[in-house]
Amino acid sequence: RKEVEQDPGPFNVPEGATVAFNCTYSNSASQSFFWYRQDCRKEPKLLMSVYSSGNEDGRFTAQLNRASQYISLLIRDSKLSDSATYLCVVKSFQKLVFGTGTRLLVSP
Amino acid sequence: DGGITQSPKYLFRKEGQNVTLSCEQNLNHDAMYWYRQDPGQGLRLIYYSQIVNDFQKGDIAEGYSVSREKKESFPLTVTSAQKNPTAFYLCASSIDRAGVGAKNIQYFGAGTRLSVL
Repeated sequence: RKEVEQDPGPFNVPEGATVAFNCTYSNSASQSFFWYRQDCRKEPKLLMSVYSSGNEDGRFTAQLNRASQYISLLIRDSKLSDSATYLCVVKSFQKLVFGTGTRLLVSP
Repeated sequence: DGGITQSPKYLFRKEGQNVTLSCEQNLNHDAMYWYRQDPGQGLRLIYYSQIVNDFQKGDIAEGYSVSREKKESFPLTVTSAQKNPTAFYLCASSIDRAGVGAKNIQYFGAGTRLSVL
């Protein structure tokens, strides 16, 4: 089993739609959680950290469920510019472990 | 501007040749990392360094070497022993490696694409 698992997608949604991604992790002792965004042929960039109480940043909401060991990212009112690959990242055994990413395609 | 600079953007390696990828940061971060990304795969850790003159192997260190003589610089050499070097190489840094929360956030350079001739 991979340490961090994500549905690779792609998720094809129209502009204005709400879309949610989930990510599961295997190490119950994991301490820190993040979502990164990666555009095609570019470097990953931090989208948001994920806190136990859940957190929101504009149209983006992240949730952490420690009991079930999953993290979610909700994007509301999708924009064309949201098209990218979203990487789930977990700190596990003193290192960051990156998921393979979920690809999102937002169409007009 | 503060950030991480990787060079070159594209690099071609001949058979049996060693090549060195540059990574420089002016964020005053203690920890630096090298990752490799292949299509359809997550980032895999090659080497990391928490402090000057110290570095540790990551998950896929074979065929690679690094040095950390200065806090700002963490060059990666892809040696001829690395038989499948074609990949996207990403350098990252963070405030420190052992911290939690914000101290774990890694910031990436723009990457180097390495291909074999």
